Amino acid sequence: DAKTTQPTSMDCAEGRAANLPCNHSTISGNEYVYWYRQIHSQGPQYIIHGLKNNETNEMASLIITEDRKSSTLILPHATLRDTAVYYCIVSRPNRDDKIIFGKGTRLHILP
Amino acid sequence: DADVTQTPRNRITKTGKRIMLECSQTKGHDRMYWYRQDPGLGLRLIYYSFDVKDINKGEISDGYSVSRQAQAKFSLSLESAIPNQTALYFCATSQGGVQETQYFGPGTRLLVL
Repeated sequence: DAKTTQPTSMDCAEGRAANLPCNHSTISGNEYVYWYRQIHSQGPQYIIHGLKNNETNEMASLIITEDRKSSTLILPHATLRDTAVYYCIVSRPNRDDKIIFGKGTRLHILP
Repeated sequence: DADVTQTPRNRITKTGKRIMLECSQTKGHDRMYWYRQDPGLGLRLIYYSFDVKDINKGEISDGYSVSRQAQAKFSLSLESAIPNQTALYFCATSQGGVQETQYFGPGTRLLVL
């Protein structure tokens, strides 16, 4: 089973910030939080990852709570092209841990 | 050119036939993965390989086999296809280590009649 819990779907108005939550209450100390997205049956695309500090790149920001039991992916200015399924994944990047994708959050950007 | 390619992109086959899906990568990554996706079920891991000749079962390996004869190639075989193997199949690669980012191919849509 996936180690994360995400809402099934969310809506966001175009131009607004999209905030996608993820709960990972059983995360262990050496596990990272990864976010991917999948646009309509294309291959999933990596967005961002982090361990305990907040992270930002050209696509998004990742906010991880101090206890690391939850995180939020922020798309600062959502566009229609951000409509996709977003997957939050917890994983240790070593031989023994497999990435389990789960069902993700279907984000609809509304014009 | 794409870093991760899959062939064929679409395939229709009949129950009982053996088919092979191919994955090639030019990223120089050691790790390769095969996933399947069914509507409403997210991606499920079938097999993965961390090096040439290294093969590991994923969540749903029954009915599938793989071959990793070269770093750049990872093949998935359905020994005797059945209708419930109709799905979208993705290959992925990663370099391992702390930056365990996976790069996905465009997918193969398989229909088993």
